[in-house]
Amino acid sequence: AQSVTQLDSQVPVFEEAPVELRCNYSSSVSVYLFWYVQYPNQGLQLLLKYLSGSTLVKGINGFEAEFNKSQTSFHLRKPSVHISDTAEYFCAVSDQNAGNMLTFGGGTRLMVKP
Amino acid sequence: KAGVTQTPRYLIKTRGQQVTLSCSPISGHRSVSWYQQTPGQGLQFLFEYFSETQRNKGNFPGRFSGRQFSNSRSEMNVSTLELGDSALYLCASSTVQGLPREQYFGPGTRLTVT
Repeated sequence: AQSVTQLDSQVPVFEEAPVELRCNYSSSVSVYLFWYVQYPNQGLQLLLKYLSGSTLVKGINGFEAEFNKSQTSFHLRKPSVHISDTAEYFCAVSDQNAGNMLTFGGGTRLMVKP
Repeated sequence: KAGVTQTPRYLIKTRGQQVTLSCSPISGHRSVSWYQQTPGQGLQFLFEYFSETQRNKGNFPGRFSGRQFSNSRSEMNVSTLELGDSALYLCASSTVQGLPREQYFGPGTRLTVT
């Protein structure tokens, strides 16, 4: 069975500061990893995904994430955040046996302060 | 290309009633998945349909059911509503050709059970 842990439920940060949102997963097989963002009253938007290959993945809006197999982590980073990045961020995992089923972490609320 | 659409966006029902939610996937996408999002349980997978067949099912009671039509549109039904069914119900569509099965989410239907 898969599971995803997002270690921080809330992350406050000042505008233009760097941020890291942490994600750890557990799975018995090779995984696919995703980060989604959810703005208020909206659905989920894909930020980036790791399928295979390079462990550093770049996504939209300046976000990137690094897959670390030995630490079973997939942390999301942005070097300089904007007020508009305030949202809920979800890490998710799937694998070749799960079909289209995603297992989500509990989410991290990023709060960017001016 | 139009995104995933869900109707209605908001719904208020009374305990004991039943409800049907609708999802129209992105054109060409044949897989539709449903998720329930609540503050307490987070995002949980309900089920996935492909070619009018349920391919995968999450850990939800039989009161939750779904179906898919030949045009890939999907409906989910919840019978005998309980207060705990109040949630945001998200639909996601994807192509099933190759990997990864990137999913595109709709804006959701917010169901309130009173």
